[in-house]
Amino acid sequence: EAQVTQNPRYLITVTGKKLTVTCSQNMNHEYMSWYRQDPGLGLRQIYYSMNVEVTDKGDVPEGYKVSRKEKRNFPLILESPSPNQTSLYFCASTPSGGAYYNEQFFGPGTRLTVL
Amino acid sequence: GNSVTQMEGPVTLSEEAFLTINCTYTATGYPSLFWYVQYPGEGLQLLLKATKADDKGSNKGFEATYRKETTSFHLEKGSVQVSDSAVYFCALKSSYNTDKLIFGTGTRLQVFP
Repeated sequence: EAQVTQNPRYLITVTGKKLTVTCSQNMNHEYMSWYRQDPGLGLRQIYYSMNVEVTDKGDVPEGYKVSRKEKRNFPLILESPSPNQTSLYFCASTPSGGAYYNEQFFGPGTRLTVL
Repeated sequence: GNSVTQMEGPVTLSEEAFLTINCTYTATGYPSLFWYVQYPGEGLQLLLKATKADDKGSNKGFEATYRKETTSFHLEKGSVQVSDSAVYFCALKSSYNTDKLIFGTGTRLQVFP
């Protein structure tokens, strides 16, 4: 089944304790992206990757890191989480190459709480 | 810059009522337009899309028409069901930045029996 998976689905942590949220897709998509969803703000892009070893900042990158060593995986790293990073996080992927009508496929989400 | 504006929710309806969720956009060029739906506890799923002016996207009884003259992509359904209760997001992709999705803030729909 074609899908985007994220782990963990739920995470409660404390300020300053490094964490990684994993994202994996099995559709051979070039483009992957991380979003955070906050009430009244919709989804905002954190980072994206056009392909392996190519990553770039989205609209709200502060406090986050990403890497893209393999095509299928795109982990999100919070090196020193803070309470303002409490949010619902989504990973997404799409075929790239200029087809602007392609839909993005979303993972199930990771609800992160930073105390 | 590019942006999407949606009506604020929640929208509360009785079963079988008519639904409209308004969406307007600002974009350069000729964007593609999307409606995504998020059911409780789940990720976003594509509901429908339209890639050029006057296109009508449709799925599961929902429809939306790409209106370039009014820069709108309103979502409609003739008769909603309790199972349609979800959050609906309007989004666009620019024809220039072909991979980035820009979302509206989302509209929560609650349908009661």
